[in-house]
Amino acid sequence: EVQLVESGGVVVQPGGSLTLSCAASGFTFDDYTMHWVRQSPEKGLEWVSLISWDAANTYYADSVKGRFTISRDNSKKSLYLQMNSLRSEDTALYFCARDDGSNYVFHYWGQGTLVTVSS
Amino acid sequence: EIVMTQSPATLSVSPGERVTLSCRASQSVSSDLAWYRQKPGQAPRLLIYGASTRATGIPARFSGSGSGTEFTLTISSLQSEDFAFYYCQQYNNWPPSLTFGGGTKVEIK
Repeated sequence: EVQLVESGGVVVQPGGSLTLSCAASGFTFDDYTMHWVRQSPEKGLEWVSLISWDAANTYYADSVKGRFTISRDNSKKSLYLQMNSLRSEDTALYFCARDDGSNYVFHYWGQGTLVTVSS
Repeated sequence: EIVMTQSPATLSVSPGERVTLSCRASQSVSSDLAWYRQKPGQAPRLLIYGASTRATGIPARFSGSGSGTEFTLTISSLQSEDFAFYYCQQYNNWPPSLTFGGGTKVEIK
């Protein structure tokens, strides 16, 4: 059974930094592109970033480009999101998600970890 | 950025009814369109991709259609678990800039 478990969400001050983690199990992690997607009442669902199976390719939404960094450790079956220069509008529930290897559709999702940016 | 617009925002229906949800793209996305259902407190669940292909384990009462800029999700007979939010997502552009619609809430009438 595919499982994705996010962690690391906390309350952080504007301008602060945070790293989210996602632990994967139930599938061959290094076969798949992985994604971060966030959800807030204000913006709804918003794709944040993706990383290819070998970490050779990464892409970001314009709203986080230059501030967030996606990475992965295939030996640990883990996905990460380093978040810098956090803003109030980054407040959201952050999901990690897996596609099916042939298109950028989110076939599996974790339950999410909540990031709150507030002073 | 490709903007996805869903309508209506809210749909009030009775169990057993047939419902049709709409999703429009600001430019053509071919058939690169997915639908998700999200129940309160849960992550979204993939229903349809490729505009019309049901995901693994999704019952036949869900069907998708459309291409280009106009898409629909039809639920043939609404079950209790179908009262939820529904989102469309496009995955057509390159470099990838994946976008979701604002959602349709299907509520009990």
